[in-house]
Amino acid sequence: QLVQSGGGLVQPGESLRLSCAASGFTFRDYTFHWVRQAPGKGLQYVSTINNDGNYIYYADSVRGRFTISRDNSRNTLYLQMGSLRAEDMAVYYCAKSRSTGWDFVMNSWGQGTLVTVSS
Amino acid sequence: EIVLTQSPGTLSLSPGEGATLSCRASQSVSDNYLAWFQQKPGQAPKLLIYGASNRATGIPDRFSGSGSGTDFTLTISSLEPEDFAVYYCQQYRDSPRTFGQGTKVGIK
Repeated sequence: QLVQSGGGLVQPGESLRLSCAASGFTFRDYTFHWVRQAPGKGLQYVSTINNDGNYIYYADSVRGRFTISRDNSRNTLYLQMGSLRAEDMAVYYCAKSRSTGWDFVMNSWGQGTLVTVSS
Repeated sequence: EIVLTQSPGTLSLSPGEGATLSCRASQSVSDNYLAWFQQKPGQAPKLLIYGASNRATGIPDRFSGSGSGTDFTLTISSLEPEDFAVYYCQQYRDSPRTFGQGTKVGIK
């Protein structure tokens, strides 16, 4: 199970941290992802982190502003979002890979959390 | 970046009919690392198919995936009322792991 928290309303230029708490499996064995969906739009890939944090990838649209991280002792995935823009407004989903190892199939998803960027 | 183009944008069908959804990639998706997701309003996406043709756990066999290289297809053999939703393809071979723009399967 993946339970997300941390969304909300922020002004342009501000920061926000999203969390994704995992349970029911061995968190430290899996790769995780963030995907977002702007209102009324399709899915957009945001970022990936592998099981030990040694592989991280960002979409061009967020690279340099967002930071993905994980705390394997707390079974929690994070997305630190900085310099937020109106175009970052979306529902953000965390997703777990289907199997351990080098697997990027997004098998299980959190419930989503809404980030609103507005002055 | 691999661009995925889904067609049609919208399908209007009746329960019991079959549906064929297309996903075309701008370059070859190596090892058929292509997945299909279903999304209903207000819900998170749900994995249906991975590896182009492998059904995810618990997915009914009326859903099937096929294709290779740059052309992939999701087929729903006989639509159930709960299948009316938006469907996305995604390639997970190359970074960034891009999604198609979606196909909406609506009730006629």
